[in-house]
Amino acid sequence: DQQVKQNSPSLSVQEGRISILNCDYTNSMFDYFLWYKKYPAEGPTFLISISSIKDKNEDGRFTVFLNKSAKHLSLHIVPSQPGDSAVYFCAASALTGANNLFFGTGTRLTVIP
Amino acid sequence: DAGVTQSPTHLIKTRGQHVTLRCSPISGHKSVSWYQQVLGQGPQFIFQYYEKEERGRGNFPDRFSARQFPNYSSELNVNALLLGDSALYLCASSSGGQETQYFGPGTRLLVL
Repeated sequence: DQQVKQNSPSLSVQEGRISILNCDYTNSMFDYFLWYKKYPAEGPTFLISISSIKDKNEDGRFTVFLNKSAKHLSLHIVPSQPGDSAVYFCAASALTGANNLFFGTGTRLTVIP
Repeated sequence: DAGVTQSPTHLIKTRGQHVTLRCSPISGHKSVSWYQQVLGQGPQFIFQYYEKEERGRGNFPDRFSARQFPNYSSELNVNALLLGDSALYLCASSSGGQETQYFGPGTRLLVL
């Protein structure tokens, strides 16, 4: 039962344009959401997070938007750079119980120079 | 500052053997979690430990066990290895609660 879904396995974007990565979740108990970036042969690197009390969080070129009613979040990268090419994972957790993360299956972003 | 470290980086075992994976958290972090990532999937939660006590366990068989030591480092043990245990095993540390988890580079296990 996949509680966090990333329905686009891959995305290609031209350098300098905006990259939009999407994520949907089914568990209404999730209240903390994170995006991680992963290069081959490395562990996931934390990018940005958002709490359910917010609908937007920005950090430099990265912005995460949360739509609780739609159970949807998105990561915007602008402008996209070739070094952003990686697999991006969306993750979610619930405050109750163990703070374990539920991950999506990832989206491979390719930024074309 | 040192990040999360894991050892070994790679490991090859045969079916039925036992394996121990090790993790050292970021200094000051008291919580360690273990995840399994198979090819094409996102990481799946195995265990979480906080202050040496098990806080949570994912949907994995009893062949998987873990512990956390007084210095907050952790071990993941897998007995009676199966081919399907071949995966990247990730350790993540956090200060506790719902704080951000930071991942190590992982241990890639291949079971033949």
